[in-house]
Amino acid sequence: GQSLEQPSEVTAVEGAIVQINCTYQTSGFYGLSWYQQHDGGAPTFLSYNGLDGLEETGRFSSFLSRSDSYGYLLLQELQMKDSASYFCAVRDFYNTNAGKSTFGDGTTLTVKP
Amino acid sequence: NAGVTQTPKFRVLKTGQSMTLLCAQDMNHEYMYWYRQDPGMGLRLIHYSVGEGTTAKGEVPDGYNVSRLKKQNFLLGLESAAPSQTSVYFCASSYSGLETGELFFGEGSRLTVL
Repeated sequence: GQSLEQPSEVTAVEGAIVQINCTYQTSGFYGLSWYQQHDGGAPTFLSYNGLDGLEETGRFSSFLSRSDSYGYLLLQELQMKDSASYFCAVRDFYNTNAGKSTFGDGTTLTVKP
Repeated sequence: NAGVTQTPKFRVLKTGQSMTLLCAQDMNHEYMYWYRQDPGMGLRLIHYSVGEGTTAKGEVPDGYNVSRLKKQNFLLGLESAAPSQTSVYFCASSYSGLETGELFFGEGSRLTVL
């Protein structure tokens, strides 16, 4: 099976940098994704790491170390609108080649003025 | 493009009643998924489909059935609703193959079982 661990809550101030960690245990690992979800809304895709290293998309970056089964999401220049829940998700393939994503329980980020 | 559309958005059922949630996508995606999300938790996969006419069980399939008669539609059925099925249900779709696997989500269907 799959299991993912991420902190339940993180608080930071506007303009700061915050890192949300994710460790995972899985079989057939293919990649690690990050999603953002505002209260009452649908999850939206932020980034994906299939290979080790850093991926940068604007103010957001995501990192993966496959050997450590570890990744993180880095949010820079925090804005109030970044207050949301952030989920890491492991994408895996089984012998049927059916790609599925398993989600962590999410990290609630609160950005304070 | 509408993306992924779920109907209904809200529903209240009594224990033992049945209902069907409809998910429609207009992106020609092969893969479709049904997740449930309980308060303060992540999304748990109920059932998924890798193409028209195919379905498979996810992490928490008990009490649910699905059908994918047309590529663009994925139906989730509850035959005999239970209070434990009170949740927010999200449908998602994605491209197949070895891309990023980005999931495109609908806005959710909020179900309360009394």
